[in-house]
Amino acid sequence: GAGVSQSPRYKVAKRGQDVALRCDPISGHVSLFWYQQALGQGPEFLTYFQNEAQLDKSGLPSDRFFAERPEGSVSTLKIQRTQQEDSAVYLCASSPTGAVSYNEQFFGPGTRLTVL
Amino acid sequence: GQQVMQIPQYQHVQEGEDFTTYCNSSTTLSNIQWYKQRPGGHPVFLIQLVKSGEVKKQKRLTFQFGEAKKNSSLHITATQTTDVGTYFCAGTTSGTYKYIFGTGTRLKVLA
Repeated sequence: GAGVSQSPRYKVAKRGQDVALRCDPISGHVSLFWYQQALGQGPEFLTYFQNEAQLDKSGLPSDRFFAERPEGSVSTLKIQRTQQEDSAVYLCASSPTGAVSYNEQFFGPGTRLTVL
Repeated sequence: GQQVMQIPQYQHVQEGEDFTTYCNSSTTLSNIQWYKQRPGGHPVFLIQLVKSGEVKKQKRLTFQFGEAKKNSSLHITATQTTDVGTYFCAGTTSGTYKYIFGTGTRLKVLA
């Protein structure tokens, strides 16, 4: 079946613009994670959803970052007033159940955001 | 805050040589996962370890979880050019949903 998809794959934004990044998880997957990966670094946790509930948003770097998953499937990560330090690859991952400690994460291809 | 370090940062090996990467957490982990990320790609799940002292094998790959559940290792026997990529460990602690990824080990295999 289809894996995790993300769109757009590439996004160039001018500093100060708002962007919205979309994640389509594997159908039926309960858990959804967002990560930020800077060049040459490991993925850094941003936020976690279990169905439509955002249970952990401790990794969001500032109040310019906002994520939602209103119907428990598709998720959107929104960044307001983008800054150059927001340039990174944004990865989405989904897992079959809410048992986070027992499920592998299936990653999407990521969205590469470049802020000029 | 919680940190997960990996060593070495980089490793170049001749094809056929063995390779090991080590993962060390500042806190006790509930579980640890290992991922491989090819250049330009996304992380792909390799394995998960949950029990203290657990050892799992996948063909040429051997994974270990330390007795104290604070460290882990991945060993590749007789590397091949297809093993090229960055290997990440990722762990979570009890009562949280947050996975902390290690700093990664980038492996290059010379034919």
